Amino acid sequence: KQEVTQIPAALSVPEGENLVLNCSFTDSAIYNLQWFRQDPGKGLTSLLLIQSSQREQTSGRLNASLDKSSGRSTLYIAASQPGDSATYLCAVGVYNQGGKLIFGQGTELSVKP
Amino acid sequence: DAGITQSPRHKVTETGTPVTLRCHQTENHRYMYWYRQDPGHGLRLIHYSYGVKDTDKGEVSDGYSVSRSKTEDFLLTLESATSSQTSVYFCAITRDYLSTDTQYFGPGTRLTVL
Repeated sequence: KQEVTQIPAALSVPEGENLVLNCSFTDSAIYNLQWFRQDPGKGLTSLLLIQSSQREQTSGRLNASLDKSSGRSTLYIAASQPGDSATYLCAVGVYNQGGKLIFGQGTELSVKP
Repeated sequence: DAGITQSPRHKVTETGTPVTLRCHQTENHRYMYWYRQDPGHGLRLIHYSYGVKDTDKGEVSDGYSVSRSKTEDFLLTLESATSSQTSVYFCAITRDYLSTDTQYFGPGTRLTVL
């Protein structure tokens, strides 16, 4: 059974720091891995999607990597800003049940001014 | 932003009453999903649809049913609501299975069962 784990559960950093969020998964049979952002009381916003054949994706200050063989992904945020404060969710796409996503429980990030 | 709306956005109901949540999309995407989000469990799939009248169960489907009579609408019904179904419910859509597209999520419905 696929399980997704995110470490740490919460992280507080001063503005301007570079930071890394970690995601691990137990089964390498995935078709993609996605990172989402969720603000309190809101829905999920897609940040980056990495296809299973890819190693990384970049968007602005965000960079996500994927290592299927070790079952790991990282989300790197450069020069963090208070507006980056949110919960970050990692999810893997699996081949059964309509290509559903299996989510980690998220990392709650707080960036202090 | 993908055109997904959910209604109602908030609902309080009593144990034993039926409840229907609606997801509406304007993207003409084939796949639609219902997830629930609970502290300690993250998001989990309830049911999904891969076309009009084509639906199937997810990992936490007990106590829920779905229907999709039109491409744009996916309904989630709690036949007899229980307190364990208090949760935030999210609808998601994607163009096709294994597509390069992400799943786009709606704003969520917060359901409280008293």
